[in-house]
Amino acid sequence: EIVLTQSPGTLSLSPGERATLSCRASQSVSANYLAWYQQKPGQAPRLLIYGASSRATGIPDRFSGSGSGTDFTLTISRLEPEDFAVYYCQQYDNSPQTFGQGTKVEIK
Amino acid sequence: QVHLVQSGAEVKKPGASVRLSCKASGYTFTRYYMHWVRQAPGQGLEWMGTINPSSGRTSNAQKFQGRITMTRDTSTRTVYMELSSLTSEDTAVYYCGRSSNLDYWGQGTLVTVSS
Repeated sequence: EIVLTQSPGTLSLSPGERATLSCRASQSVSANYLAWYQQKPGQAPRLLIYGASSRATGIPDRFSGSGSGTDFTLTISRLEPEDFAVYYCQQYDNSPQTFGQGTKVEIK
Repeated sequence: QVHLVQSGAEVKKPGASVRLSCKASGYTFTRYYMHWVRQAPGQGLEWMGTINPSSGRTSNAQKFQGRITMTRDTSTRTVYMELSSLTSEDTAVYYCGRSSNLDYWGQGTLVTVSS
């Protein structure tokens, strides 16, 4: 199975700052079947990015995804108070689908 | 609009089985696979399996082979996931999600396994 490794584990930033989250796959994710999710405490995850770089419906343009092959990045250009949460990457290229362990973006 | 509504919380004893439901609305039920993902307390997300609501064909993670059964009822637009031989390690919130990129999620069902 494809193992996804996210870094850093925790990102401590202030509102207005830029956040850069990394997701590295143990083997190439073809057709960029890579998604990013945001999860807040007590809530279901929410799809942010699919196909590595396409924003899901209703997602603000401060969220962007990039990368290909084995290295992917989620960038939040300017952190808003509601963006402090845990972020997961997921590959849906190969079965079993797998998730990264998550990156927590916390207020500094 | 798309809604996935899951059944309520469950408390089960070790060795028991649990059957969860996920009722879909707001889209053509048979056009999108449904997936099951779980999250143990304080942990990350774990994909369990998927069902094609049109054909009923399923695929699941090897970890759950022999313990998981996914079915669907097209007349009620509902998918079901049954997990057997429960242990404390199965205590988690279980989510259904539409499509491989999980564009819509149910609200989650907490399953607690305790003697």
